[in-house]
Amino acid sequence: DGGITQSPKYLFRKEGQNVTLSCEQNLNHDAMYWYRQDPGQGLRLIYYSQIVNDFQKGDIAEGYSVSREKKESFPLTVTSAQKNPTAFYLCASSMLQYTEAFFGQGTRLTVV
Amino acid sequence: AQKVTQAQTEISVVEKEDVTLDCVYETRDTTYYLFWYKQPPSGELVFLIRRNSFDEQNEISGRYSWNFQKSTSSFNFTITASQVVDSAVYFCALSEEYTGANSKLTFGKGITLSVRP
Repeated sequence: DGGITQSPKYLFRKEGQNVTLSCEQNLNHDAMYWYRQDPGQGLRLIYYSQIVNDFQKGDIAEGYSVSREKKESFPLTVTSAQKNPTAFYLCASSMLQYTEAFFGQGTRLTVV
Repeated sequence: AQKVTQAQTEISVVEKEDVTLDCVYETRDTTYYLFWYKQPPSGELVFLIRRNSFDEQNEISGRYSWNFQKSTSSFNFTITASQVVDSAVYFCALSEEYTGANSKLTFGKGITLSVRP
């Protein structure tokens, strides 16, 4: 089945550690996105990528890093520089021309 | 700057009632796209509708209907004869042409809809 796969579903991290969230899509979409969702808040854009080996900062990129080495994959690293990383992280993908984005099922990250 | 406002935070209705979810947007662009997404308890966002700024026709899909009014910068969503399965968080979102990333979305804060049996 075509879709977006995020893993793991739940992730626990100790303060000071980096952690990487996986996002894979088999929809042959060009663009991929990472959003962060906090309770009672909408989704906020962290990073996005429109082509392989290129990506752009979103509204809240500080403390995060990404890579886009393959069209299918867009992993997100939450670094120790991110002051408040506990949140729900959603990955999405879309074709480039004003089409709807499709979302994965999310990763819930908790700092312990 | 672009902005999406969903003033209602939580709505509770009894099954079979009609309910309208409000969305007001701000944009400086003349070409833009509006979206509604549903987020059930599983967490995944489910696409419901996309509307471009040049198409103000209302749309109906089963029990769902959308009212787009550029004059009031609103894109409201109505569920007719609500059902328990409609319980979810609903997000309105905006994508502008000038951003360069065609599906880079600005979201409202979402409306939590609870439908009681």
